[in-house]
Amino acid sequence: GAGVSQTPSNKVTEKGKYVELRCDPISGHTALYWYRQSLGQGPEFLIYFQGTGAADDSGLPNDRFFAVRPEGSVSTLKIQRTERGDSAVYLCASSPTRDSKGTQYFGPGTRLLVL
Amino acid sequence: DQQVKQNSPSLSVQEGRISILNCDYTNSMFDYFLWYKKYPAEGPTFLISISSIKDKNEDGRFTVFLNKSAKHLSLHIVPSQPGDSAVYFCAASRAGNMLTFGGGTRLMVKP
Repeated sequence: GAGVSQTPSNKVTEKGKYVELRCDPISGHTALYWYRQSLGQGPEFLIYFQGTGAADDSGLPNDRFFAVRPEGSVSTLKIQRTERGDSAVYLCASSPTRDSKGTQYFGPGTRLLVL
Repeated sequence: DQQVKQNSPSLSVQEGRISILNCDYTNSMFDYFLWYKKYPAEGPTFLISISSIKDKNEDGRFTVFLNKSAKHLSLHIVPSQPGDSAVYFCAASRAGNMLTFGGGTRLMVKP
């Protein structure tokens, strides 16, 4: 079966531009998470969806970041007025439900470079 | 404030020997601890986990030990193989919510 997929795999943009990153979770998984991984660090939580609603968005760094999951499947992370500090790998993960064991399945990530 | 820390950025071991990766945490509310393995240009892959009510969990060559009083866990790989070379992340979860990751340890297994 297909795993979590993310598009694009790489994105280069200029400072100030708007970008959208897409995540397609494993079919049937209701929980979806976004993380950001900067060079040399571990992934950091951004936002968590249970179904269509954002259950926890406490990790979003500021109001330039926004994510949606309108039909409870595919999610899009949107970054407005990008800054060079936004450069990182953006990881998406999904799990069958809010798995009490914490196990999440990750996609390959989108590498964002803001010039 | 890092709630999960991996103090060794890298570790090198000989093939066939034991690899021991360490992780410390500060939040006593964490109830599950996980290890993920990451190859370059790929997402993290789940390896093994342990509940906070246990002190050991074993899966083939991989064993995770948890010392709650010391807020410390470790991953043992025996015997180590060259294919185990990757970055290993320790992560912690509370009530099935988001994962809090350590900074990772790069393991190099030499043939």
